[in-house]
Amino acid sequence: DTGVSQDPRHKITKRGQNVTFRCDPISEHNRLYWYRQTLGQGPEFLTYFQNEAQLEKSRLLSDRFSAERPKGSFSTLEIQRTEQGDSAMYLCASSSTTRGWNYGYTFGSGTRLTVV
Amino acid sequence: QKEVEQNSGPLSVPEGAIASLNCTYSDRGSQSFFWYRQYSGKSPELIMFIYSNGDKEDGRFTAQLNKASQYVSLLIRDSQPSDSATYLCAVYGGATNKLIFGTGTLLAVQP
Repeated sequence: DTGVSQDPRHKITKRGQNVTFRCDPISEHNRLYWYRQTLGQGPEFLTYFQNEAQLEKSRLLSDRFSAERPKGSFSTLEIQRTEQGDSAMYLCASSSTTRGWNYGYTFGSGTRLTVV
Repeated sequence: QKEVEQNSGPLSVPEGAIASLNCTYSDRGSQSFFWYRQYSGKSPELIMFIYSNGDKEDGRFTAQLNKASQYVSLLIRDSQPSDSATYLCAVYGGATNKLIFGTGTLLAVQP
């Protein structure tokens, strides 16, 4: 168990460019979540998957954001036509429904996105 | 009204004192409650969870839950400078299948 892995750790991009982040969850975890966190705020839910199915997507998420989890393993989060307001820490987390909710999530180290 | 509310702080306590962090939530159907610690620039780390009314102790940490008052708290005994971080309260259950986080309370332990 190597924990939740996110790549890259940091990304600087120009406004209008597309970016893609990757998350590798803990191998036996069937749920995978994406959150966004800005300075001074708590993590804000974006979307989650159970296995390969995307079960919920935040209404705050514009159509510039898309996430996939092919084969129920790793996940990618893509942001198209980035805007300065997209600058944030993007956090991935995973959990296991078989262990129950009492165990919470395990977070990855996050990807810090800066849009210039 | 926010779903999960915390005082943003900073809460400043001297080394060795008890730090008390509080959280209220709006969804009465919420089932499980979590405290995460987040150091500056790092990701959140789970330190405690509680799902029954009353107290739960783990080392220097005690989580307290009062579902009737929709209130969760975290006590840190013998606070150390290394406890200085933002503490996030998170709630699961009720109308949602995901954790909802508060904005966090910044704790500063003064040596």
